[in-house]
Amino acid sequence: GAGVSQSPSNKVTEKGKDVELRCDPISGHTALYWYRQSLGQGLEFLIYFQGNSAPDKSGLPSDRFSAERTGGSVSTLTIQRTQQEDSAVYLCASSLARGPRNTIYFGEGSWLTVV
Amino acid sequence: SQQGEEDPQALSIQEGENATMNCSYKTSINNLQWYRQNSGRGLVHLILIRSNEREKHSGRLRVTLDTSKKSSSLLITASRAADTASYFCATDASNTGKLIFGQGTTLQVKP
Repeated sequence: GAGVSQSPSNKVTEKGKDVELRCDPISGHTALYWYRQSLGQGLEFLIYFQGNSAPDKSGLPSDRFSAERTGGSVSTLTIQRTQQEDSAVYLCASSLARGPRNTIYFGEGSWLTVV
Repeated sequence: SQQGEEDPQALSIQEGENATMNCSYKTSINNLQWYRQNSGRGLVHLILIRSNEREKHSGRLRVTLDTSKKSSSLLITASRAADTASYFCATDASNTGKLIFGQGTTLQVKP
């Protein structure tokens, strides 16, 4: 596609339920990133994929959070047993490759509200 | 802790004036990128400046990088009301593309 595509745009879920957020990166981009932005806060790195592998999961806040990427393309971020503090905008980004020359492009984000 | 810190946190100017935002960081970097965010949603990439570059231009945007001071600035010239947004700097220190973001500067341009 022309840009990074994320779905759903908005999700309201009850505390304790599981949610899945989807990211479709720009075609041909091998690197994919997930970030989280809580209300009025900066962006927090969650996880990075190179192809299908995740060499850096250091930002995942707890074991309730997991992500996978299949076929070197689409990625899914799963939050199990959601808590109210999980409410945030979840942003996905992709880049052509690693390295200092590569611009990282972001999607519009998925706004998650846990009630 | 945050790699990047931006200042000012908020800036309000009149249309036509220039806006300058500053970003400081703590560790060596491979590149620094500036992004704009409208209404708390998607980030729009503005400029990438590599660690061996000192200045880059893109339209009304000018970015400088001083690696000795670990700082960068974003200048928006002849601002427009449509420039109203939050602006973030982000640094890539690991060469993986993992970006560390500052808290951002909220810019308001009054018509």
